Amino acid sequence: DQQVKQNSPSLSVQEGRISILNCDYTNSMFDYFLWYKKYPAEGPTFLISISSIKDKNEDGRFTVFLNKSAKHLSLHIVPSQPGDSAVYFCAASGWAGGTSYGKLTFGQGTILTVHP
Amino acid sequence: SQTIHQWPATLVQPVGSPLSLECTVEGTSNPNLYWYRQAAGRGLQLLFYSVGIGQISSEVPQNLSASRPQDRQFILSSKKLLLSDSGFYLCAWSLNRGRNTEAFFGQGTRLTVV
Repeated sequence: DQQVKQNSPSLSVQEGRISILNCDYTNSMFDYFLWYKKYPAEGPTFLISISSIKDKNEDGRFTVFLNKSAKHLSLHIVPSQPGDSAVYFCAASGWAGGTSYGKLTFGQGTILTVHP
Repeated sequence: SQTIHQWPATLVQPVGSPLSLECTVEGTSNPNLYWYRQAAGRGLQLLFYSVGIGQISSEVPQNLSASRPQDRQFILSSKKLLLSDSGFYLCAWSLNRGRNTEAFFGQGTRLTVV
C-alpha cells in the first residue's frame, strides 16, 4: 500500500521557468511533510518541510504548498536552475501511538531535469 | 554541527555471505537512528529505527537485523545475504523530540549481492 505517491516519474523544465513537483498521500494521520533532493549515489538532502497547520512554506526559490482536503502537496522551484536537476522525494510523518519517532514514509521520487 | 558517517560506500558480496554496515553520528546526543533502503527505481523504505541504545524496531520482515551498541552507532547486519538484499542502504538520524522532525541522511552504501 503506497501511502505517499509521486505519480510523475520525471519532469523536464527549461532553465528560468517554474518546476512543479507533485505528491499525494492517503494516510490522514500524516501531519508533517518534507521534500528531499537526491543526487545519484548520495544520500537525500533535506530541502523544505511543512506542518499540517500551514498551507504554504517558502524558503528562497523553494515553496511547498499543502492542500489537506485533497491530501496533496507540491513543491515549486522558481526560477529553476540546471543545478536543481536531481531526484526529488516527498515524505510524510504522523503521530502514531504517542510518538512519531520521526519515521518518514517516502514517495517513489520524481526525476527533475532542468535544461540550460 | 552534526555529521553522519556511513561506510563502506560500495560493497559487492556473494550470496550467503554475512553483512555489516556501520553508521555513526557526531555532534548530537540521543538521536533517533534509522536504516532505509532504496531498491532500483523505488522510493526509500524504512527498515529499522531506534530511539535509544539497544532499542530496535523493525518495519518490515526481512533477512536483515540492526543493532545499536552505543548512543550514536547503528549497525545493519545479515548472517546470509540474498540476491534480493541488493540495493542502496541509507542511515539517517533525527532529533529525539517526538514529532515534526527532519531526518538527515548519510551518503549511503551501494550493496550488490552476486
